[in-house]
Amino acid sequence: ILNVEQSPQSLHVQEGDSTNFTCSFPSSNFYALHWYRWETAKSPEALFVMTLNGDEKKKGRISATLNTKEGYSYLYIKGSQPEDSATYLCAYRPRDNYGQNFVFGPGTRLSVLP
Amino acid sequence: EAQVTQNPRYLITVTGKKLTVTCSQNMNHEYMSWYRQDPGLGLRQIYYSMNVEVTDKGDVPEGYKVSRKEKRNFPLILESPSPNQTSLYFCASSPQTDHRIGHEQYFGPGTRLTVT
Repeated sequence: ILNVEQSPQSLHVQEGDSTNFTCSFPSSNFYALHWYRWETAKSPEALFVMTLNGDEKKKGRISATLNTKEGYSYLYIKGSQPEDSATYLCAYRPRDNYGQNFVFGPGTRLSVLP
Repeated sequence: EAQVTQNPRYLITVTGKKLTVTCSQNMNHEYMSWYRQDPGLGLRQIYYSMNVEVTDKGDVPEGYKVSRKEKRNFPLILESPSPNQTSLYFCASSPQTDHRIGHEQYFGPGTRLTVT
């Protein structure tokens, strides 16, 4: 099983703080990387799909970057709000299976304190 | 409303009693997948299907079966459930018609299964 790591495991920030977390994946076998947001008692929701080295995606206050050569992606949240509290998951799709399967990281649990 | 539905949402059963969790999507998506979520382990892919009659194993397929007879449905079958299959299960679908394009997945509401 391929290893996808996320750090930190959990994070507590104050409302208004900006924050970022990391997803690490095998760089030698990259096809695509997905970011999902998962609120408690709900289903994961897609944030970004990234496929090219150097990709930068943005949705409101949330943005993500991708470095396929070194095998990492960063997710940034600017001016965190309590409604940003959720677990953020990354999912890696390996190239040797034509990107057909997904390998998820364990997630980063973000708590934004008012 | 475009959605992925799963039934049942909650199930408590006993070891060895066959069960099926249904998954249906109304978005005409080709790709469907099943995941299980266990504390500290994140989502792990059980099986996936690229299209009707095409299924393949994910990372943790042991103890599970699937079928894809119709595009909209992708049931998960546990022939002889065991306590280590107690978990939260998610079904997901994606309009993945081109492997070169990274389509996002849409998740169902989840099924919490307890096997005693």
